Order: sequence, then structure tokens, then C-alpha cells
Amino acid sequence: DTEVTQTPKHLVMGMTNKKSLKCEQHMGHRAMYWYKQKAKKPPELMFVYSYEKLSINESVPSRFSPECPNSSLLNLHLHALQPEDSALYLCASSQEGLGIGISKNIQYFGAGTRLSVL
Amino acid sequence: AQSVSQHNHHVILSEAASLELGCNYSYGGTVNLFWYVQYPGQHLQLLLKYFSGDPLVKGIKGFEAEFIKSKFSFNLRKPSVQWSDTAEYFCAVNAGTGGFKTIFGAGTRLFVKA
Repeated sequence: DTEVTQTPKHLVMGMTNKKSLKCEQHMGHRAMYWYKQKAKKPPELMFVYSYEKLSINESVPSRFSPECPNSSLLNLHLHALQPEDSALYLCASSQEGLGIGISKNIQYFGAGTRLSVL
Repeated sequence: AQSVSQHNHHVILSEAASLELGCNYSYGGTVNLFWYVQYPGQHLQLLLKYFSGDPLVKGIKGFEAEFIKSKFSFNLRKPSVQWSDTAEYFCAVNAGTGGFKTIFGAGTRLFVKA
């Protein structure tokens, strides 16, 4: 099973709403990622978790709050978003985590959540 | 800082034509190199990767890429494209010493005419 599952597939929210994006993998991967992808642009890294600890935060605004409750799950909590936050949010996972040799960082991507902020 | 440049933003080819997509990166140390593909309406998937060893790597669906260290390049090739190769192709790089941060190029949209 090389699948990363993201829910929901589509989400429309107002600027005052609170919502969460979910990501799940059962490949035993210890690193999980959130990316943001705007139309016709490459994915941009937002957060990396390694062994359930936040490893990288790419200066993402605090209205995005990641959470990694266990090694299989990754959430992205959304609050008070702006229309410019509308994008495809991708989750990925890879085998490596802290303490494992040289990174062979093959990332497996989910299909994404297409978010529209009104 | 690492960066990745893909020279062609849009490529249109007829079926059976040969394909070469350029990718150059800037990073002074050891790198891991990847090509990802995103078919219309589908998620990103790994096409091929280079970590070390033979600089000519073969991936899925007849694609191959050549790592030329002196040119900081990792170009993607396919001798004969098919209509089903219509997709967006992303070159990506991360530091070979354990970095989690993968940098993606801007992508190349390939359209193959039947």
C-alpha cells in the first residue's frame, strides 16, 4: 500500500470558519509534509514532521496550525483564512525521519484537498 | 540556497516525437534528484530518482534522466512520447545529507497531440 489519503477532497470555507484537513498513511513512514500548490505553480513546502515532531516550519502564517497526533496521521487546522489561501493542499510522506542515515527522500503524495476561501 | 530551474514551461509534441525536458539546479553539495509527474486530475507521483551511481537512470513508462554533475543538470528524456504522457512534470532536488526540504522546479506542462 503506497497510498496517502487526504480528506476532504474539496473544501469551501468562509474567512471566519475553522476547519481541518486530514492526511493518513499506513506505510510506516516517519516523515510527513504539508505543501501548498497554487494553480500552475510547483508545490511549496509548509511544514515537515519527523517522528511526530515539527521539524520544519517554512514561516507559515499562524492561521495554519499543523498537528501530528501519531505516526500515521497529519492534520492541518485552518482558522481565519484569507481568499489568497485558496489553493490545493498536498500531504506527503517519506520513510526517513531523524536518526536514519542519509536521506533518500522519496515522497509519496496524496491527491490533495482543494480549498476555496470565500 | 537551493534552487531548481526548468527551462520549458510549455511543450507541445506530436505522438512518437522525442522529448527532452531541461532541469538545472544550484546547490554545492551532494544532492538527491527527482522527477515527479502530475497527470490531469491526479496526484503527484515519482517518475524517477537519482541518488548515486550510474548517472543515467531509468524510470517508469520509458522515461530516463541523465545527471551531469559538471552542468548541475538532470534532464528528462523519452524517445517516443504518447498521448497518455500529457501531464505536468516537476524536477525536484534535496540535499543529499539528510535534508527534508525538497525544492521543486516551476514545472513543465507537456501536451502530446494524438
